[in-house]
Amino acid sequence: EIVLTQSPATLSLSPGERATLSCRASQSVGSFLAWYQQKPGQAPRLLIYDAFNRATGIPARFSGSGSGTDFTLTISSLEPEDFAVYYCLQRTNWMYTFGQGTNLEIK
Amino acid sequence: QVQLVQSGAEVKKPGASVKVSCKASGYTFSTYDMHWVRQAPGQRLEWMGWVNGGNTDTKYSQKFQGRLTITRDTSASTAYMELSSLRAEDTAVYYCARDLLGSPDYWGQGTLVIVSS
Repeated sequence: EIVLTQSPATLSLSPGERATLSCRASQSVGSFLAWYQQKPGQAPRLLIYDAFNRATGIPARFSGSGSGTDFTLTISSLEPEDFAVYYCLQRTNWMYTFGQGTNLEIK
Repeated sequence: QVQLVQSGAEVKKPGASVKVSCKASGYTFSTYDMHWVRQAPGQRLEWMGWVNGGNTDTKYSQKFQGRLTITRDTSASTAYMELSSLRAEDTAVYYCARDLLGSPDYWGQGTLVIVSS
């Protein structure tokens, strides 16, 4: 099973700052990597699919990059509503695993 | 608009089974695959499996092999997740989620399943 490791576990930033979240896979997943945002008590929300494609309705301040084993989610300028937990999800041979999440909190 | 509406919360005893439904609307049900994902309290998301949109093929996480059955009823636009031999560690919120090009996009509201004696 492919293991996804997200870093950091917690990221403390202020509104307006840039956030960089990392997701590393234990073996190559090509470009089959998605990013989700989850707020307390809510279902996850798809932000990025296939490493860099923004999902419908996702603001341009969210961007994804990477391939193979190393991926990054960047939020260019944090808005108050961006503070949440972020998960990466990989797909290989139609089997999926999630990372453990990064908690993006207000500093 | 796309909506996935799941069945209500369940309380089950250890060893029992639970079946959660997910009724879809706002799109052609048979065109899209459906995933099931769960989240134990305070824990990460955990992918369980999916069912193919067109031919009912399924894939399950190895962790749930033998205990998990995902089905769909196209005539009712509804997907189902049945988990058997429940134990306390299966206490979680269970989500269905439609597939978009290999990634879950629209999600149901979640169904809380509590396993307790």
